Amino acid sequence: ETGVTQTPRHLVMGMTNKKSLKCEQHLGHNAMYWYKQSAKKPLELMFVYNFKEQTENNSVPSRFSPECPNSSHLFLHLHTLQPEDSALYLCASSQAGSNVMNTEAFFGQGTRLTVV
Amino acid sequence: GENVEQHPSTLSVQEGDSAVIKCTYSDSASNYFPWYKQELGKGPQLIIDIRSNVGEKKDQRIAVTLNKTAKHFSLHITETQPEDSAVYFCAADLMDSSYKLIFGSGTRLLVRP
Repeated sequence: ETGVTQTPRHLVMGMTNKKSLKCEQHLGHNAMYWYKQSAKKPLELMFVYNFKEQTENNSVPSRFSPECPNSSHLFLHLHTLQPEDSALYLCASSQAGSNVMNTEAFFGQGTRLTVV
Repeated sequence: GENVEQHPSTLSVQEGDSAVIKCTYSDSASNYFPWYKQELGKGPQLIIDIRSNVGEKKDQRIAVTLNKTAKHFSLHITETQPEDSAVYFCAADLMDSSYKLIFGSGTRLLVRP
């Protein structure tokens, strides 16, 4: 257990469905991240939240919509996805900022998403 | 944009041999360089990290070296064991609009018994 929990672990959805991925961290961190992991590609950073504020949107299509209601919870809302969006979606958290020593990112186990 | 390059993409070694994975980074302001191990069905887990104020760090069979001038760092695993088989990712930190880690493309390590 890394202290970062993602649900569900597996998700199959149709292109017209709406679903949400959930991430929760119990580490007291101030930053949370969504990464996309596709086969044979580097981990792609999607979104960054710092103290609940979105500080980065890495040119992600609007069919992915993040939400961070508090510093412990992060959601990724999905709608009208494409088959090429099938991937492992990883959530991570860290204690980060310009005035603190940056620390490691702790990852959840990911949600394996298949879009059919 | 800033990036991290990692080589090789796959590495096969005999049990007991050493394995070396190399990464280069582009942002000279990067100060933190973690290595992650990802086993099948799991998220990446930190195995060792190094900060820019040191050139080498060791933890049992794992060591990391950093050359800030050349902007490259390496992971060394000695006396490899079958349970070391996994995908390994290097990363470098980047602080622009926010703090984040930029990852290499990964190395699939296979340790043959």
